[in-house]
Amino acid sequence: QQPVQSPQAVILREGEDAVINCSSSKALYSVHWYRQKHGEAPVFLMILLKGGEQKGHDKISASFNEKKQQSSLYLTASQLSYSGTYFCGAFLNTGNQFYFGTGTSLTVIP
Amino acid sequence: DSGVTQTPKHLITATGQRVTLRCSPRSGDLSVYWYQQSLDQGLQFLIQYYNGEERAKGNILERFSAQQFPDLHSELNLSSLELGDSALYFCASSVAGRDETQYFGPGTRLLVL
Repeated sequence: QQPVQSPQAVILREGEDAVINCSSSKALYSVHWYRQKHGEAPVFLMILLKGGEQKGHDKISASFNEKKQQSSLYLTASQLSYSGTYFCGAFLNTGNQFYFGTGTSLTVIP
Repeated sequence: DSGVTQTPKHLITATGQRVTLRCSPRSGDLSVYWYQQSLDQGLQFLIQYYNGEERAKGNILERFSAQQFPDLHSELNLSSLELGDSALYFCASSVAGRDETQYFGPGTRLLVL
């Protein structure tokens, strides 16, 4: 039931764009995106509550396709500070268990 | 600073021992979640409490237990510790439930020798 993220890892040069995908085999109630730096706590990025919803702030945005049971995180004009591991997390339609995705390691180089 | 506090920051103990991890949620948050993060398992949901009551259970071992007290702080008890229990343990809090942001504490790093 753990959402699967792709790609597993990506290396970008500053200014390049990236897309991280999160797919579930179960119907999703909400999708949450977090970024985690090594040894630190996950930091909240955004939450998407209903199918088709898109959110964004600054140069990071996300979409939620309820029918396809997937979400995508878009990072544009990447900065060095974007480096870290990105996790999607989801509540399923059934129950209150929270499932983190498999994670995507993103490295931005000068 | 998320407003969620966890103590202790680091814990080193031996196999077979018992430890207690403590979490204080953000002011006003009623829900507390516990997660385990190990190298090979990623972030795993353990258990959620809402206003003192258990609301959801994840991959929590029988050797582990948790509770949330009237002042809303929560404790995670780990007993009969094994080497494989070595991990980062995070708690997170939210106002209520599935519609809201979870704010994570800094974590407790547990090392079982």
